[in-house]
Amino acid sequence: EPEVTQTPSHQVTQMGQEVILRCVPISNHLYFYWYRQILGQKVEFLVSFYNNEISEKSEIFDDQFSVERPDGSNFTLKIRSTKLEDSAMYFCASSERSGGNYGYTFGSGTRLTVV
Amino acid sequence: GNSVTQMEGPVTLSEEAFLTINCTYTATGYPSLFWYVQYPGEGLQLLLKATKADDKGSNKGFEATYRKETTSFHLEKGSVQVSDSAVYFCALSEGVGNTPLVFGKGTRLSVIA
Repeated sequence: EPEVTQTPSHQVTQMGQEVILRCVPISNHLYFYWYRQILGQKVEFLVSFYNNEISEKSEIFDDQFSVERPDGSNFTLKIRSTKLEDSAMYFCASSERSGGNYGYTFGSGTRLTVV
Repeated sequence: GNSVTQMEGPVTLSEEAFLTINCTYTATGYPSLFWYVQYPGEGLQLLLKATKADDKGSNKGFEATYRKETTSFHLEKGSVQVSDSAVYFCALSEGVGNTPLVFGKGTRLSVIA
C-alpha cells in the first residue's frame, strides 16, 4: 500500500536553529498538509498546500514556518528559528482529492525536540 | 469554532471485552466525522468515517454512528484484541474545499491478554 514517508523520525535541535522536516507524499496525490501534536495535546492543523502554493494555514503557522515542494516529490516544512514550544510530533499528510470527506494518508511523524 | 472532545484515557481492557470510546463534536455546519488510529511507531491511519447524519462507519470490527441529535460519534467494538492496542483519534472536517481536520486529543487503548 502506498505510504507517506517522513524523515527524520527524530530530530533534536538547539533553540534558535533552523530545522527542515521532510516528507515524500504519495506520488499521485495533489494535496499536502502538515499537522503537529505537542505531547499530551491535540493534533493541530498547520498548513495545507496545493498547486505549489499554500491554500490554508492556521494561526500557529507564523512567519517562522514555511513549506516548499522543491522537486515534485518532496514536501518540506522549515522552522526558521526554533523555540522550545516547537517541540512536538510533526505529521505530514497527503490526499488525492480535496476535502476532508476522503480522509488523508498520514506519515509516521517526526518527533522534534528543541533544547 | 469547530472542536472535538473525546474521553480521556488511558483505557485498559481485557481481551474480548466490549469497547466504547466517546466522542462529541461542535461544528457550525454539517461536518464529516472520522476515527483515526495510531499503532505504536506508525502514522495516523483512517479507521472509519461517516459523512452525514445516521451514517454508520465500520471497519475491522469497529463501528461508529453519526448522531446529529447528540452531536456524537462514539467508537465501539464488540470484542477487542491485543492487536487493537493503539491511540484512537476522533476528528471532523467541514468537508468543503480543502478544509483541515480538527482532532480530539486521542485515547490510548491497551488490551491485555
